[in-house]
Amino acid sequence: EAGVAQSPRYKIIEKRQSVAFWCNPISGHATLYWYQQILGQGPKLLIQFQNNGVVDDSQLPKDRFSAERLKGVDSTLKIQPAKLEDSAVYLCASSLLLGANVLTFGAGSRLTVL
Amino acid sequence: QKEVEQDPGPLSVPEGAIVSLNCTYSNSAFQYFMWYRQYSRKGPELLMYTYSSGNKEDGRFTAQVDKSSKYISLFIRDSQPSDSATYLCAMSPVDAGNMLTFGGGTRLMVKP
Repeated sequence: EAGVAQSPRYKIIEKRQSVAFWCNPISGHATLYWYQQILGQGPKLLIQFQNNGVVDDSQLPKDRFSAERLKGVDSTLKIQPAKLEDSAVYLCASSLLLGANVLTFGAGSRLTVL
Repeated sequence: QKEVEQDPGPLSVPEGAIVSLNCTYSNSAFQYFMWYRQYSRKGPELLMYTYSSGNKEDGRFTAQVDKSSKYISLFIRDSQPSDSATYLCAMSPVDAGNMLTFGGGTRLMVKP
């Protein structure tokens, strides 16, 4: 079974610029998550989708972050404008069912904001 | 105070040693407990998954949950250099679906 695909793997931008990350979950996985992992910290949930609907986005900084999963398969996370503190690894994960605690993570997209 | 606390390490041990990794938590609603392993520049991968209290063993790995003390542990027997990674504990309440709260991770180095 193919894993969770993410791109790009690395991105360097200047503050106030915009960036977008893409994720393709495991085929058939209805639930998709975006996590932010700052260096030396554990992942923090940004947003959770069930098919193409948002289940939880309470920790998403909505003034600068947006995410969509229009067709219920792949997803895009956008940051505009970026701040220095957005430097982190953005991890996408998926699970078969809502309520199942087994998540499969992608390798992540590492963002550096200068 | 963070909901889930983990000593960041690094923890350095010789090959073959028994490793003990621990997390403490404050939310008594947590019922599901997981350990993830994260290699450098990779995403976390699930190692162990337990529900409520008790022990679970899988090969060289044993997970323990003590809900009365709000304390969970992961033991690695006969540690190998390939076990060198960051170990993240994660937990969630029964009714919160996949709303995992992660610890900050402990970096483990197993020296040959």
